[in-house]
Amino acid sequence: EIVLTQSPRTLSLSPGERATLSCRATQSVSSSYLAWYQHKPGQPPRLLIYGASTRAAGIPDRFSGSGSGTDFTLTISSLEPEDFAVYYCQQFGGSPTWTFGQGTKVEIK
Amino acid sequence: QVQLQESGPGLVKPSETLSLTCTVSGGSITSYYWSWVRQPPGKRLEYIGYVYYSGTTDYNSSLKSRVTMSVDTSKNQFSLKLNSVTAADTAVYYCARISRYDVSKVFDPWGQGTLVTVSS
Repeated sequence: EIVLTQSPRTLSLSPGERATLSCRATQSVSSSYLAWYQHKPGQPPRLLIYGASTRAAGIPDRFSGSGSGTDFTLTISSLEPEDFAVYYCQQFGGSPTWTFGQGTKVEIK
Repeated sequence: QVQLQESGPGLVKPSETLSLTCTVSGGSITSYYWSWVRQPPGKRLEYIGYVYYSGTTDYNSSLKSRVTMSVDTSKNQFSLKLNSVTAADTAVYYCARISRYDVSKVFDPWGQGTLVTVSS
């Protein structure tokens, strides 16, 4: 099983600051199969990024993804109030077919 | 746009069967794969499995012996059954469509989620 480890677990930042979230895999993951989701309380997860770096429809360009192999990064260039949430990385193709990281909470400092 | 809504009992007794239904609106259930994902309190999201509109299924090996998924195209619904539940099955259960973007296969969109508690 490919295990995804996200760091940090919590990121305390102010609006306007830059957020850098890390996702590390125990085995190499194809960039095509790495995605990021945003999850707010009481709402379903929302797809942000697929293919490691492609924004999903309607996602603002302050969100960007990068990385390859076992190390991937989600960057929010300038935090807006609505960006404070939990972010999950997810990979496809291992066994089980899809696995998720444990999440990084971006909270208001 | 496509919307998904889970329904089913919020409380299930230990050793019994958890049954949930996901109703798809705003689009047809055909030609897509439909999945269930859960999140136990304080834990990460966990893929449970998927069902194709034709009835083909794939289950997480950790749950395979207890899971059954099916689809009802006439009602635009798909369902999850998880038998012999224990407290470890307490979670928010989400249904989601598996969407293919380029070669990526991701969960998009998701239902709102429903909390299922296993307790006597």
